[in-house]
Amino acid sequence: ETGVTQTPRHLVMGMTNKKSLKCEQHLGHNAMYWYKQSAKKPLELMFVYSLEERVENNSVPSRFSPECPNSSHLFLHLHTLQPEDSALYLCASSQDSGGNQPQHFGDGTRLSIL
Amino acid sequence: KNQVEQSPQSLIILEGKNCTLQCNYTVSPFSNLRWYKQDTGRGPVSLTIMTFSENTKSNGRYTATLDADTKQSSLHITASQLSDSASYICVVTSYNNNDMRFGAGTRLTVKP
Repeated sequence: ETGVTQTPRHLVMGMTNKKSLKCEQHLGHNAMYWYKQSAKKPLELMFVYSLEERVENNSVPSRFSPECPNSSHLFLHLHTLQPEDSALYLCASSQDSGGNQPQHFGDGTRLSIL
Repeated sequence: KNQVEQSPQSLIILEGKNCTLQCNYTVSPFSNLRWYKQDTGRGPVSLTIMTFSENTKSNGRYTATLDADTKQSSLHITASQLSDSASYICVVTSYNNNDMRFGAGTRLTVKP
């Protein structure tokens, strides 16, 4: 148990669907992250939130829309995705976004776009 | 070219044997380097973290080394177990906006 819970674990959706990924952390951390992990490629940082404010957006297409209603919850809203968006989406949290604290990862949502 | 290169891409060893995974980076200015273990179907879990002044860090059977001059790190696994089968990811953080760069990982398989 890492203290970071992601739901759902698996998601299959069509390109016209709208869905949301959820992440919840029970560690009292102030920073939360979304990553995309594709096979045999490095993790790609998508978004960083610190104290509920977005501090980093790494040129992610607008079909991905993050939301951080409080420091314990993070969502990733999905709409009109493309087949190349199929990947493992990982959420992580850390004490702060300063880079010196380890990140605690959830087990990810495996997303498949039909 | 990725700023963090890991080798080998994959490795198969027999249970009980030792192995060493490599991480070379060009990230600058350097802040810290972490090794993560990612089991299949799970998220990465931090194994070690090293800053510029540290050249070795152990966590049980895992020992990480860092040569900040040559910008190389290694992760040595001693007396491997079946549960060591996983992907091992090297992450280097820069002082520039705490930018983190991930390697593509080494996939280790330990066979009985």
